[in-house]
Amino acid sequence: AQSVTQLGSHVSVSEGALVLLRCNYSSSVPPYLFWYVQYPNQGLQLLLKYTTGATLVKGINGFEAEFKKSETSFHLTKPSAHMSDAAEYFCAVSVLSGSARQLTFGSGTQLTVLP
Amino acid sequence: GAGVSQSPRYKVAKRGQDVALRCDPISGHVSLFWYQQALGQGPEFLTYFQNEAQLDKSGLPSDRFFAERPEGSVSTLKIQRTQQEDSAVYLCASSPARGGYNEQFFGPGTRLTVL
Repeated sequence: AQSVTQLGSHVSVSEGALVLLRCNYSSSVPPYLFWYVQYPNQGLQLLLKYTTGATLVKGINGFEAEFKKSETSFHLTKPSAHMSDAAEYFCAVSVLSGSARQLTFGSGTQLTVLP
Repeated sequence: GAGVSQSPRYKVAKRGQDVALRCDPISGHVSLFWYQQALGQGPEFLTYFQNEAQLDKSGLPSDRFFAERPEGSVSTLKIQRTQQEDSAVYLCASSPARGGYNEQFFGPGTRLTVL
């Protein structure tokens, strides 16, 4: 079975500072990896995904993540935080289970951006 | 085009009542998923449909939970004899590919509160 661990349920950064949200996964087979963002009272929006190929993945709103197989990590970064980045972020792993690729999510990291 | 929509957005039920939650996926999307998101947690998989066929219901927590997608488009998640532990946000997601191999597009969710 696969699982996702997000280190730090709450992260605060100053506007303009580096954003680093940590995600580690466990999977017995090569996973697909995702980062989603959730704004209050809204659904999940895909930021970026890794399936195969290049391990450094660029997403929307200036976010990127690097798949490191040896570390079983898929940390999310952004060089300079904006106030609009304040939201909850979920890392997810997708592994083929039966007929579908179910998403297994971490418990989320709430990002606060301080002025 | 329109995204995934869910109704109602908020539902308050007394313990023991039956509820029905509706999901309108993106037109033409083959795959449809239901997830349950408890407060402070990441979404957890409930069930998966490919067109009208329910191919995986391994995540349904009890036999009080029932989902259907009779014509391969709109889906309904029904919870019978609701309990307080059923209080959560119920998310629907659709995907254009079989098995959700591509991105899953999420609706805004239905927040169910059982009193």
